[in-house]
Amino acid sequence: AQRVTQPEKLLSVFKGAPVELKCNYSYSGSPELFWYVQYSRQRLQLLLRHISRESIKGFTADLNKGETSFHLKKPFAQEEDSAMYYCALRGGSGNTGKLIFGQGTTLQVKP
Amino acid sequence: GAGVSQSPSNKVTEKGKDVELRCDPISGHTALYWYRQSLGQGLEFLIYFQGNSAPDKSGLPSDRFSAERTGGSVSTLTIQRTQQEDSAVYLCASSQRQGGNSPLHFGNGTRLTVT
Repeated sequence: AQRVTQPEKLLSVFKGAPVELKCNYSYSGSPELFWYVQYSRQRLQLLLRHISRESIKGFTADLNKGETSFHLKKPFAQEEDSAMYYCALRGGSGNTGKLIFGQGTTLQVKP
Repeated sequence: GAGVSQSPSNKVTEKGKDVELRCDPISGHTALYWYRQSLGQGLEFLIYFQGNSAPDKSGLPSDRFSAERTGGSVSTLTIQRTQQEDSAVYLCASSQRQGGNSPLHFGNGTRLTVT
């Protein structure tokens, strides 16, 4: 069964501090991993995906198959990073299956 | 073009009544999802439509919940005999193609309140 776990409901840091939002997954095959973000009063939107190995708004995430993790990191948090972050996994044959989300982590960046 | 559109944006209903929530996906998107977002529960998968394949209904919490997608486009989520625990934001999302890295495009959601 697919499962995504985000152990922290709330992460509060000061501006300029490093940020790491944790995500662990459970899936027997090779999953596709994503991070989605929801800013205040905005729609949920894609932040980044593991296969692209990209950095978006200074955020990066590395897929660690040994630890079944896909933590989201940013070296210096900004106030505008405050939002709800969801880790998501897609499995299934040919990765055509449903997208399952974790419970979300609220990131609060204080001035 | 326009993004994913959901209606109504807010719905207040009495316990025991039926409700219908509508989703208009982005034109040409073959995949359509329904999720429920509530405090403490995160984003809960409900149902997934992919092209002409049978929908994945594995996330529907009870037989009071059902959804259909007509003509591969508009979808309706129906909740019968609503209960207070059904109160949540119901989100619809669509994506362009089957699997791969197609990102989901979300609507603004319908906030359902059952009194």
